[in-house]
Amino acid sequence: NAGVTQTPKFRVLKTGQSMTLLCAQDMNHEYMYWYRQDPGMGLRLIHYSVGEGTTAKGEVPDGYNVSRLKKQNFLLGLESAAPSQTSVYFCASSYLREPFGDEQFFGPGTRLTVL
Amino acid sequence: AQSVAQPEDQVNVAEGNPLTVKCTYSVSGNPYLFWYVQYPNRGLQFLLKYITGDNLVKGSYGFEAEFNKSQTSFHLKKPSALVSDSALYFCAVRDRSWGGSYIPTFGRGTSLIVHP
Repeated sequence: NAGVTQTPKFRVLKTGQSMTLLCAQDMNHEYMYWYRQDPGMGLRLIHYSVGEGTTAKGEVPDGYNVSRLKKQNFLLGLESAAPSQTSVYFCASSYLREPFGDEQFFGPGTRLTVL
Repeated sequence: AQSVAQPEDQVNVAEGNPLTVKCTYSVSGNPYLFWYVQYPNRGLQFLLKYITGDNLVKGSYGFEAEFNKSQTSFHLKKPSALVSDSALYFCAVRDRSWGGSYIPTFGRGTSLIVHP
């Protein structure tokens, strides 16, 4: 049981390049999330998904796109990277079972630098 | 709307002393409340949560948290701090009322530093 995994762990991009971050979970969770973490800003939600084939915008969605073609995978895409997207990106997943208040499981993070 | 505040960016405590990391929240109805810990260069790990019932919740690594509805607080506590407890701590809230958000809101995090 690997939990939540993220690929790659590190990446350096030049401004304008594109890339895709992959998140995979093996816990059969319905919900998946992408966050970015910046110093002093805490965690900010980029996009999330409530099930296969569905996605929704979070707090800071501009400049990012997502897809969830399979229940276990959630992809985050940057079409044209900007230096402001330099950050650490975390994927998370969870059940949503009322009234259990399910907690989130987080991946190890991807450190992205845009030059 | 739901929100959570962690009023302290940093908490310093001596090893062996009790520690408290503060969290206050705002929701329309009743909350689910969570604490997570993040060690350097790692993802967040779940520590404990409040769903309903007993106001004192016990979690991993000897941590506990007290839910106080009148003060809308959910402070994280540990009776005796360890140097290895030094990390970044996040509080999160989700409104469990009908029509509430299914997505939790996180605080900005509190850096706990335990001095030897």
